[in-house]
Order: sequence, then structure tokens, then C-alpha cells
Amino acid sequence: QKEVEQNSGPLSVPEGAIASLNCTYSDRGSQSFFWYRQYSGKSPELIMFIYSNGDKEDGRFTAQLNKASQYVSLLIRDSQPSDSATYLCALDNYGQNFVFGPGTRLSVLP
Amino acid sequence: DAGVIQSPRHEVTEMGQEVTLRCKPISGHDYLFWYRQTMMRGLELLIYFNNNVPIDDSGMPEDRFSAKMPNASFSTLKIQPSEPRDSAVYFCASSRLAGAVGETQYFGPGTRLLVL
Repeated sequence: QKEVEQNSGPLSVPEGAIASLNCTYSDRGSQSFFWYRQYSGKSPELIMFIYSNGDKEDGRFTAQLNKASQYVSLLIRDSQPSDSATYLCALDNYGQNFVFGPGTRLSVLP
Repeated sequence: DAGVIQSPRHEVTEMGQEVTLRCKPISGHDYLFWYRQTMMRGLELLIYFNNNVPIDDSGMPEDRFSAKMPNASFSTLKIQPSEPRDSAVYFCASSRLAGAVGETQYFGPGTRLLVL
């Protein structure tokens, strides 16, 4: 069974700063990686996915993947209070389903 | 598309009662997933279906839990009898192709279950 680890936080950053969220995983065979955002009381929603080593940028969000070191990260530039949420890292499980990490709670302070 | 639809949104019941949660996946999605989320255990996969067939139910906590998918547009998760430790948020999610590169799961709004 694959495992996904995240620091539970809370991670607090001031408004306008860069928030860095990290995720490590146990199985080198994982191919696709996903970042979900979950606001309190709401359902998870996809922010980004990445499957190639390196960086992938989408607006203020950058996902980084390093398969050799088995970690994936999410950078949020110019953090806003509206970014305050729990961020879930997930990876595909042999093409069948997803394995989710426990999530990191981010708090962006005005 | 309306997205994944779940009902009820909130359920309060007493220990020992039967609880039935319902889900309508996004049209055209072949995979349906049931998750449970608690503060202590995070997001747990309970069971998932492919083309209405249960593929992996190893996450179902015990025999009190059962799930069915009689057709492509409807699934139920049943707890009988319910216990206070079943209190959680239950999410249904669907996807077109599980595991395809970049193919994501879309979550419903969840059902908040409280068993007294």
C-alpha cells in the first residue's frame, strides 16, 4: 500500500509571501500526482496535477516533482487570505484509485 | 454538468439506526469512489466501482457497511446498524479513467453524518 506523508501544520505565512507545501511518498512506481484544496466544511477540489519531473506553473501556483527523491511540492506565490485551507496531496495507485495524504493546513495572515 | 450529487447533505440519527447515503456521479464517468473523512484519520477510501462493479472494498471498516451501484447514475452507501464512531463526512467522487495521466476525481459536497 502506498503511503503519502504531509506535515499537518498549521503552516502560517503572511499575506503576499510564498507558501511552500511538501509531500513525500513511499512508492517509486507512482506516475501522477495531484494537489487538492479543501476549505473548511467543503469538499476537496483539484488545483493542479503533475507527472513529469520538474516544475509546472499555473497562475500563482507551481507544482514541483522530484521522482528520484520521491517528493512533490506546491508553491503558492503572493499568498492571499483566501488561500487559507487544507491542501491534500494525492497520487495514483497503479492506475486504479488515488492515495491521499493527511493534508497540510495553511493559514495566510492578513 | 451539475457535478457529483450527494444526499442527504446532513444526517443525524441514533445509534442502531440504519443510514443510507446516496450519490449520483457525473454523467459519463466510469469510476465512483466512496470516502470517509474525519479529523483523526483524514480522507479514507472505503470502496470504489468501475462500470458499476465493485473493484476494491478493502477500506470498508466492517460488515455494518455495504455499498451498491445498481446503475451508472446511482450508488448507495449503507450503514446498519450505525454507531457513534461512524460520525464523519462521507464523500462520493467520480472520474472518467482512474489513473490516466492527469485524470482527476471530482468530489460531491459530502454528507455530514452524526450518530448519537
